[in-house]
This record gives sequence, C-alpha cells and structure tokens, in this order.
Amino acid sequence: DAGVTQSPTHLIKTRGQQVTLRCSPKSGHDTVSWYQQALGQGPQFIFQYYEEEERQRGNFPDRFSGHQFPNYSSELNVNALLLGDSALYLCASSFVIQGVGYGYTFGSGTRLTVV
Amino acid sequence: DQQVKQNSPSLSVQEGRISILNCDYTNSMFDYFLWYKKYPAEGPTFLISISSIKDKNEDGRFTVFLNKSAKHLSLHIVPSQPGDSAVYFCAASANTDKLIFGTGTRLQVFP
Repeated sequence: DAGVTQSPTHLIKTRGQQVTLRCSPKSGHDTVSWYQQALGQGPQFIFQYYEEEERQRGNFPDRFSGHQFPNYSSELNVNALLLGDSALYLCASSFVIQGVGYGYTFGSGTRLTVV
Repeated sequence: DQQVKQNSPSLSVQEGRISILNCDYTNSMFDYFLWYKKYPAEGPTFLISISSIKDKNEDGRFTVFLNKSAKHLSLHIVPSQPGDSAVYFCAASANTDKLIFGTGTRLQVFP
C-alpha cells in the first residue's frame, strides 16, 4: 500500500518563475495538507484541501495556491518565486471524521531551490 | 508567534540511557499533541500522540507525558538506540487536523 507520493523530489527554479508541485495521498485518505519547511525550522502549514476545496489556510501570500482533483490528489502552485521560497515542501494526507483529522501521513517532500 | 516551542535544538545521549525531549506550547485551545521523527531526505514519520484528556501515553520504548497546567509535554525514549538518532518534532492541533509544529530537536544517540 503506497503512502503519500510527492513529485518531483528536487527542483531548481529561477526567481520570478512559477512552480507546480504534486501530491498523491495515501489510499483511503481524502484530505491533503501542504507544509513548507525552511532550513532549521519546523513545517509551517500552508493550506488544506478537502472535497476539492480549500478548507483551511495558513499565513502565506496569495502567490501560493492549490488544487485538489476528484481522485484526491493535489497540486501546490507558487507564482513569482522569491529566494525565500526555497524550502522543503511537504504534503500530508489524512481522513476526516466529523471535522477531526486522522491518520496524518507525510510524504518525503519536494526540495525547491530558487536561484 | 511561535505557539509550539522546542527550546533544545540538540540532545546527545548514550545508547541504553533515557532520552527526554521537551516541548512547550502557549495556546490553551490545543487538545491533541503528536511527536514526529524525521530522518534526512524523508518526510516526518508519526511516532506517538496524546489527547488533552490524558496525561500519559505509552507505546513500547516511547512515552509521552502531558502537563496541561504547565503547557508542557515531553517524550521519553527508554532505552535509547543509535537508530533513534533523528530530528524530533512536537506538533499540536486545536480540534482540527491543522498541525502546528515546533522547530525540532536533533537527537544523537552514541554507542
């Protein structure tokens, strides 16, 4: 049973460009959350998708957007990349029962470097 | 505003001894706490959790203690093994599945 799958594993982009990161959730999970982990920091919540809609959002600018597809997979898009966007981007999937999440499982992440 | 704090960036423990990792939080609405372990080039792996209605939860060599009045939790690993060497993150949530993470503690278990 595959866990959470993220692609690509590594990415180098130039400042000002746009990037799309992808995530396939664990089987049976319907909720996808995205986190940014900068060097030496803990993961920071970006947003969460459930039933193809953004359910919660952290303190990130509108340059960060996302999408969830009918098969529960998700994309994270970042526009107008800044050097400070360089980080490990983690996807986590879970399933929700009565508003509470369970089975929170992380992928291995996408390492984004902006030059 | 760091709602979850891990004030020790690193900890070094001899194999066989106890490792104690600490975590403090400021938000009294947090009702669920988790510990994750992270190896380089891998995503965080769930280790153990505790609900705010409990003060202790044990799973094999891992025990988490919660002191709600002090807004403090700790993870005890006994006995520590070299394979436990990793970065440990404390995380908390408030009746949702949005997790707030601490900055992590790097544990090094030496022979």
